[in-house]
Amino acid sequence: DIQMTQSPSSLSASVGDRVTITCRASQTINTNLHWYQHKPGKAPKVLIYATSSLQSGVPSRFSGSGSGTDFTLTISSLQYEDFATYYCQQSSDAPWTFGQGTKVEIK
Amino acid sequence: QLQLQESGPGLVKPSETLSLTCTVSGGSISTTNYYWGWIRQPPGKRLEWIGDMLYSGTTYYSPSLKSRVSISLDASKNQFSLELRSVTAADTALYYCARRTTRPWYMDVWGEGTTVTVSS
Repeated sequence: DIQMTQSPSSLSASVGDRVTITCRASQTINTNLHWYQHKPGKAPKVLIYATSSLQSGVPSRFSGSGSGTDFTLTISSLQYEDFATYYCQQSSDAPWTFGQGTKVEIK
Repeated sequence: QLQLQESGPGLVKPSETLSLTCTVSGGSISTTNYYWGWIRQPPGKRLEWIGDMLYSGTTYYSPSLKSRVSISLDASKNQFSLELRSVTAADTALYYCARRTTRPWYMDVWGEGTTVTVSS
């Protein structure tokens, strides 16, 4: 199975901050990398698919980049509603696997 | 707007079968464009893909669970289901149903999840 490693596992940030989360795959996955946002008690929500494509309805402050094994999710200006846990997921090779999550907390 | 809702027992005894249903509203399950499946998250662990299936009947399972898992669709009820046999405490988790797109194969709609505890 392809192992996905996110960093950091958690971070504290203020409203307005630029936040960057990274995801590394144990082998090349081309651009088959997706990002999800999850809030407790709610359905996870896809933000970015195929590395850099913004899902319909997702604010443009979210962006993704990368290729091969290293990927980044960036929130350009953190808003209150962005405090959540973020997961990456690869779809290069089944079984589809997820990162361990990055919890974004209020500083 | 498509919505998914999981339902089923919150407590299952060891060695028994875990059965969950996902009810789809706001859209039809009878499409060849999407996969319908399940993902779980044990306490303190990462999300784990269990498997999914196409309306055509083709199923895809995680190798680690394949021997114990079955996923089925009921188009007449617009539902799909998960069965996980011979459960142990390691199967205690928050279970999500989700729709997976065709390539690039990401989960574009999720349910809110349902907690299943395996305990006697």
